[in-house]
Amino acid sequence: EIVLTQSPATLSLSPGERATLSCRASQGVSSYLAWYQQKPGQAPRLLIYDASNRATGIPARFSGSGSGTDFTLTISSLEPEDFAVYYCQQRDNWPLTFGGGTKVEIK
Amino acid sequence: QVQLVESGGDVVQSGGSLRLSCAASGFTFSSYAMHWVRQAPDKGLEWVTFIQYDGSNKYYADSVKGRFTISRDNSKNTLYLQMNSLRPDDTAVYYCAKERGSDRHFEDWGQGTLVTVSS
Repeated sequence: EIVLTQSPATLSLSPGERATLSCRASQGVSSYLAWYQQKPGQAPRLLIYDASNRATGIPARFSGSGSGTDFTLTISSLEPEDFAVYYCQQRDNWPLTFGGGTKVEIK
Repeated sequence: QVQLVESGGDVVQSGGSLRLSCAASGFTFSSYAMHWVRQAPDKGLEWVTFIQYDGSNKYYADSVKGRFTISRDNSKNTLYLQMNSLRPDDTAVYYCAKERGSDRHFEDWGQGTLVTVSS
């Protein structure tokens, strides 16, 4: 099973700041990695698929990069609605796995 | 637009059974693979199971293998999850999710249904 490790667990930032979230895979997953955003009481929302492609309707301030074992989600300038939990997910191998999540909270 | 509506969540005793349903609309259900993903209270996301668009292929997480069965009825646009031998650690919100194309990323999600297994 591919283990995805997200860091940091919590990121405390102010609106307007840049957020950089990391996801590291226990073995290479090529570019087969997605990022999701989840707000309290809501289902997750797909942000980025295949490492760097924004999903439909996702603002340009969200970007993804990386391949192999190291991936990054960047939010260029945090908006109030961006404070949430973010998960990465790999589709390279069964079972599909998620990272443990990074909470982006208001500083 | 795509709608996925789960139902069937309930409180059940350890060892019991439950069947979840996910009613799909707004897309050609029979053309898409589907998944169940769960989230224990205040925990992260866990992929549970997958079914191919025509039901020909299925995968399960080790944690549910042999106890849960995924199925679909394309004539009714409905996905199912039969859960047997339930354990307290199966307590979670269960989401059905539709793939983005056929790439095993989850483009659309239902609102979830809560399953509580009491000991």
